[in-house]
Amino acid sequence: EAGVAQSPRYKIIEKRQSVAFWCNPISGHATLYWYQQILGQGPKLLIQFQNNGVVDDSQLPKDRFSAERLKGVDSTLKIQPAKLEDSAVYLCASTSTGGAYEQYFGPGTRLTVT
Amino acid sequence: QKEVEQDPGPLSVPEGAIVSLNCTYSNSAFQYFMWYRQYSRKGPELLMYTYSSGNKEDGRFTAQVDKSSKYISLFIRDSQPSDSATYLCAMSSISSGSARQLTFGSGTQLTVLP
Repeated sequence: EAGVAQSPRYKIIEKRQSVAFWCNPISGHATLYWYQQILGQGPKLLIQFQNNGVVDDSQLPKDRFSAERLKGVDSTLKIQPAKLEDSAVYLCASTSTGGAYEQYFGPGTRLTVT
Repeated sequence: QKEVEQDPGPLSVPEGAIVSLNCTYSNSAFQYFMWYRQYSRKGPELLMYTYSSGNKEDGRFTAQVDKSSKYISLFIRDSQPSDSATYLCAMSSISSGSARQLTFGSGTQLTVLP
């Protein structure tokens, strides 16, 4: 079974530029999460999708971050414009529904904003 | 006060030592408790999961939950250099229908020296 795929793995941009991250979850997993992990901290949930609908985006900075999950499969997370404090690893995770507790994480995208 | 507090480390032990990793939490709604392991430049992977107070053993790993004290621990026996990673505790409340959300601790970086 293929795992969660993410790209790019690394990205360096200047502040005020825009950036997009892509995630392909495990086949058949209806629920997809985006997390932000700042160095030395645990992952912080940004947004949760179930199929192509948003379940929770209460911690997503909506003035600069946006996310979509078209057709309930792949997802993209965008930042525009980026700030220095957005430097972090952006992790995508997926799980099946029905009260599943195990989330499967991708390798993450390491973003550096200069 | 954070919902989940984790001893930050870093922790360095000799090979073969017993390792104790700990988290405390403040939210009584948390009923499911997990330990994730995160190797450098990788996404977290589920190590152990439990929902009841007491101990759960899996090979060299033992997860311990004390709901009355809101305290969880992970013990690693006969630690190996391959156990060197960041260990994240994660917790979830009961939910029906949609997949659960996890609240993570900040992680403890463990190094096992050969």
